[in-house]
Amino acid sequence: EIVMTQSPATLSVSPGERATLSCRASQSVSSNLAWYQQKPGQAPRLLIYGASTRATGIPARFSGSGSGTEFTLTISSLQSEDFAVYYCQQYNNWPLYTFGQGTKLEIK
Amino acid sequence: EVQLVESGGGLVKPGGSLRLSCAASGFTFSSYSMNWVRQAPGKGLEWVSSISSSSSYIYYADSVKGRFTISRDNAKNSLYLQMNSLRAEDTAVYYCATPGAYGDYCDYWGQGTLVTVSS
Repeated sequence: EIVMTQSPATLSVSPGERATLSCRASQSVSSNLAWYQQKPGQAPRLLIYGASTRATGIPARFSGSGSGTEFTLTISSLQSEDFAVYYCQQYNNWPLYTFGQGTKLEIK
Repeated sequence: EVQLVESGGGLVKPGGSLRLSCAASGFTFSSYSMNWVRQAPGKGLEWVSSISSSSSYIYYADSVKGRFTISRDNAKNSLYLQMNSLRAEDTAVYYCATPGAYGDYCDYWGQGTLVTVSS
């Protein structure tokens, strides 16, 4: 099983600042990496797939990078609606998806 | 517009059974594999099961293998999850999700249905 490790567990950032979230895979997943945003009481929302491609309707302030085992989600200028939990997911060996444990992005 | 609507959740005793449904609309359901993903209260996301478009290929997480059965009815645009021998650790919100157009990530998600296993 591919283990996905996200860091940090909690990130405190002020609105307007930049946030950088990390995700590491226990073995290479190529670029088969997705990022999701989840707000309380809501289903996850796809942000990024293919490690760096924004999903439909996702603002340009969200960007993804990386390949192999190291990945990053960057939110360039945080808006109030961006404070949420973010999950990475590898889909390199479908259907044995694995998700990271999540990073909670909170207001500083 | 893609819509996924789960139903069938509720409170069930340990050892009991429940059948979840996911009604799909807004896309050609019969052309896509489908997935169930769950989330225990306050916890992260866990893949549960997947089924190919024609039901030829079916996969389960080890945690549910032998207890859960995934199925689909393409004529009814519906996905199902039959859950037997339920345990307290199966308590979670269960989501159905579609794959993406460019890979096997989860593109669209339903709103989820809560399953609570408790005596």
